[in-house]
Amino acid sequence: EVQLLQSGAEAKRPGAAVKISCTVSGYAFSDYYIHWVHQAPGKGLEWVGLVDPDDGETTYAEEFQHRVTITADASLYTSYLEVGSLRSEDTALYYCATGIDLFDYWGQGTLVTVSS
Amino acid sequence: QLVLTQSPSASASLGASVNLTCTLTSEHRTYSIAWHHQRPGKGPRHLMKIYSDGSHSKADGIPDRFSGSSSGPERYLSISSLQSEDEGDYYCQTWGTGVWVFGGGTKLTVL
Repeated sequence: EVQLLQSGAEAKRPGAAVKISCTVSGYAFSDYYIHWVHQAPGKGLEWVGLVDPDDGETTYAEEFQHRVTITADASLYTSYLEVGSLRSEDTALYYCATGIDLFDYWGQGTLVTVSS
Repeated sequence: QLVLTQSPSASASLGASVNLTCTLTSEHRTYSIAWHHQRPGKGPRHLMKIYSDGSHSKADGIPDRFSGSSSGPERYLSISSLQSEDEGDYYCQTWGTGVWVFGGGTKLTVL
């Protein structure tokens, strides 16, 4: 059974950075991209970017590319999403997801709260 | 530009049927899409993929009440015998060269 398990909720001050994780099981880590998705409170889903676990190559959505970094550690079957220079508007749920082309499997989500 | 359009809301009575629509831009009319369901306070769950030829492939555990179809740039999700647990937001998704896109979502209310 494929599972994506994300790290717990984070509370950060404005200007800080946060790094959250997504650990997968049930398939070969290098087989599929790991994607990250952003959901602001009461809003829809937005694709943030992806990492290819096979070689670490990344692709980012234009609106996120200057403040996020996505990485993967194949030895731990884990992907990371780091968001820098946090603002209150970054308060959101972040999901990891994977699949052959579209998203067949989702993580449970990690809530990041930014508040002074 | 790759864009998916969904109606913001839909409603139907318990036990009835409903059709949700996701519209691709005309130049992308042959693209496959996925449907995902997000119950209130929960994470998204993948339901199925729909291909331009109208065929679809459902995720494991998705009941027969759910089906998909296609016509031109439109991709449909049909739900019959509506149950209370079908409430929530339904998102369609597609992908192009180096970009993955979601529709704005349709909020389904079961009356």
